[in-house]
Amino acid sequence: SQTIHQWPATLVQPVGSPLSLECTVEGTSNPNLYWYRQAAGRGLQLLFYSVGIGQISSEVPQNLSASRPQDRQFILSSKKLLLSDSGFYLCAWTEGAARTQYFGPGTRLLVL
Amino acid sequence: GQNIDQPTEMTATEGAIVQINCTYQTSGFNGLFWYQQHAGEAPTFLSYNVLDGLEEKGRFSSFLSRSKGYSYLLLKELQMKDSASYLCAVPSNDYKLSFGAGTTVTVRA
Repeated sequence: SQTIHQWPATLVQPVGSPLSLECTVEGTSNPNLYWYRQAAGRGLQLLFYSVGIGQISSEVPQNLSASRPQDRQFILSSKKLLLSDSGFYLCAWTEGAARTQYFGPGTRLLVL
Repeated sequence: GQNIDQPTEMTATEGAIVQINCTYQTSGFNGLFWYQQHAGEAPTFLSYNVLDGLEEKGRFSSFLSRSKGYSYLLLKELQMKDSASYLCAVPSNDYKLSFGAGTTVTVRA
């Protein structure tokens, strides 16, 4: 069966520090991968998605970037965090042409 | 683009029924999803409707009317654990999902 992992689960970072969040999927090949952010009490905002290795589509201009170095690995990064980057970061995947997205457990980021 | 509208909050009593409505406007219809999200947790998939009508899964049912741009999620025999946010989502043609802001359901004893 397929599983999706995210780490770390919780992160507290100072403003201006770098960020690296990792997401990996097991039990599937060539998934579509997604990064979302959810601010406190708000809806899901799609940040990036990827349909293959090295292929990244950005939805919202910001100081974040994403990379997909391996088929089942998706990384969210920032060189300098802002206060507004605080939130709940969720990775999701779909299999092939299927449209159902399955979410990882999420990373809660607090920028101080 | 997609425009999705659902109520912000609903409150119901344990054992009762609650209906969460979702209206959408989309340039190309590719089905409609419902997700459940408990506080502090990730969303989990509940249902996916492509054809008109009602689909039942235990205590939860989802209805779709494509001509009206309307769906609802029906929660029956409410339990305290059903207190959560319920998200309506519509896929775009290239497999992205657009989510509504979510409906927070509070179940009271």
